[in-house]
Amino acid sequence: EDQVTQSPEALRLQEGESSSLNCSYTVSGLRGLFWYRQDPGKGPEFLFTLYSAGEEKEKERLKATLTKKESFLHITAPKPEDSATYLCAVQTSSSRQNFVFGPGTRLSVLP
Amino acid sequence: DTGVSQNPRHKITKRGQNVTFRCDPISEHNRLYWYRQTLGQGPEFLTYFQNEAQLEKSRLLSDRFSAERPKGSFSTLEIQRTEQGDSAMYLCASSSRLSLNTEAFFGQGTRLTVV
Repeated sequence: EDQVTQSPEALRLQEGESSSLNCSYTVSGLRGLFWYRQDPGKGPEFLFTLYSAGEEKEKERLKATLTKKESFLHITAPKPEDSATYLCAVQTSSSRQNFVFGPGTRLSVLP
Repeated sequence: DTGVSQNPRHKITKRGQNVTFRCDPISEHNRLYWYRQTLGQGPEFLTYFQNEAQLEKSRLLSDRFSAERPKGSFSTLEIQRTEQGDSAMYLCASSSRLSLNTEAFFGQGTRLTVV
């Protein structure tokens, strides 16, 4: 069974304090790994797709990387508006078209 | 706005009543997903459509839940005889037919409260 875990469960940072969020997966045949941002009471907002180990994607203060067992979302010099829950999801050969989500990391960036 | 649209945004219902939610996907997206999310958890897969065909359905999905996508456009999710445990955010997402591996775009969700 495909499994996705995320750590830490919650993270508090001071504005400008860089850090990384982790997404670990145990799956049969990874087809894609996806990062989403979710604000309270809203639907997930797409950030990145990664397909193969070694791949990296960047957007503003965010950078996502992928290895064979895990993915990292690096946040450089975060601002309070980066506060949200960050979700990781996978598509695999057994999940086929559906996405298996992790529980998310709640990020708070204090001014 | 050309994103995924869900209605209603909020629904409060009494236990035992039936409810129906609607999802309008991004135009020309042939794949449509329904997910359920409870507080502090990631979204949980419910069902998946490709065009009008329902191709996947979660084993966790009770017989009280049914989804349709007539003509491959909008979709509805109906919950019959609602229970308090059905209280959750119901999320709809769509993705493009152009690739097997592609991101899904989510709507704002329908928050269901069963009292």
